[in-house]
Amino acid sequence: QVTLKESGPVLVRPTETLTLTCTVSGFSLSSGRMGVSWIRQPPGKALEWLAHIFSDDEKSYSPSLKSRLTISKDTSKSQVVLTMTNMDPVDTATYYCARIIQFSDYFDYWGQGTLVTVSS
Amino acid sequence: DIQMTQSPSSLSASVGDRVTITCRASESISNYLNWYQQKPGKAPNLLIHTSSTLQSGVPSRFSGSGSGTHFTLTISSLQAEDFATYFCQQSYSKPAFGQGTKVEIK
Repeated sequence: QVTLKESGPVLVRPTETLTLTCTVSGFSLSSGRMGVSWIRQPPGKALEWLAHIFSDDEKSYSPSLKSRLTISKDTSKSQVVLTMTNMDPVDTATYYCARIIQFSDYFDYWGQGTLVTVSS
Repeated sequence: DIQMTQSPSSLSASVGDRVTITCRASESISNYLNWYQQKPGKAPNLLIHTSSTLQSGVPSRFSGSGSGTHFTLTISSLQAEDFATYFCQQSYSKPAFGQGTKVEIK
């Protein structure tokens, strides 16, 4: 059974760095044609893809946010970590991690999401 | 960047209606188009990938078609549990989503 679960702070101050962790089970982060993406959704708005990392350690970032994002994985812990620097109130959103199928790049399993609010 | 535009933004329909949602890409994406359903407070759920392949467990009343820049998601007979927001997503280049179509009860 494939599961993903996000964890991290619910409140972040402006200019701070956000660190989110996605803990996965039911598939491997070190083999197979799959990986983990981060996707966010501001309240009442559309989905926005942020970044992904594959089992071969290939990484990709949203061009508009690339300078602020870093994605990494710890296969021994079955975790994928996303950091986003210089947080702003417009970054308030529900942040999801999702499994991505390599070369087809669709998201077949999702975590429940975690709401991050940026406010002083 | 490839832009995805969905239409309509919202629609009202009744149980049993045939519903069609359109997604257009700003340039050709071959058949790299995926559809998701999202209910309030929940994560999106994959319905269809690569334009027309039904994801395992998804009812057969959902279907997808299209290639190039024009794609459609069709619900052949709307059920009560289908009232939700639907998003398209292109996977030809870096992933990008449409703005969503909310299907409401008429």
